Amino acid sequence: AQSVTQLDSHVSVSEGTPVLLRCNYSSSYSPSLFWYVQHPNKGLQLLLKYTSAATLVKGINGFEAEFKKSETSFHLTKPSAHMSDAAEYFCVVSETEYGNKLVFGAGTILRVKS
Amino acid sequence: EPEVTQTPSHQVTQMGQEVILRCVPISNHLYFYWYRQILGQKVEFLVSFYNNEISEKSEIFDDQFSVERPDGSNFTLKIRSTKLEDSAMYFCASRTSYEQYFGPGTRLTVT
Repeated sequence: AQSVTQLDSHVSVSEGTPVLLRCNYSSSYSPSLFWYVQHPNKGLQLLLKYTSAATLVKGINGFEAEFKKSETSFHLTKPSAHMSDAAEYFCVVSETEYGNKLVFGAGTILRVKS
Repeated sequence: EPEVTQTPSHQVTQMGQEVILRCVPISNHLYFYWYRQILGQKVEFLVSFYNNEISEKSEIFDDQFSVERPDGSNFTLKIRSTKLEDSAMYFCASRTSYEQYFGPGTRLTVT
């Protein structure tokens, strides 16, 4: 069975500094991995996805993530945080490339200080 | 940009009552989903729906839950007899290829 562990429930950074949100996964299949973001009172929005192509995946708003099979990790990074990045971020795994049933991590709340 | 919409945004109901949560998926999408998130817990998959039938469901999705696509636009989740533990945020999603597009959610409060 697939599972996801997000290692930090809260992360706080200053505006302009790098962001690192950590995620480890467990999957008995070749996984598809996703990062979703949720701003207050909004739906879940896809930031980026890994589906067995390039291991370094670029997403929207300057975010990227690297798939490391040896470490079973899929950490999300951004070189320079912006105030608008403050939100909750979910690491998600799916057993199929087409993302049928999604399995969510617990979420990481990112706070950006001015 | 097309988006998934859900109504109502907040529903309060008494234990034992039936509730229907409504979703309008993106118009050309073929796969539909319901997820829920109990306060303080993870987002959990409930059910997936394709070609007018359930394609997969979780163990949470027991006989008190049902889904329906009554017309060409709506996708509904019915809970027949609500329990206190059904209080949660319910998310609808739809997709055509890779990405699942999520709605903003309906917060269900059972008293």
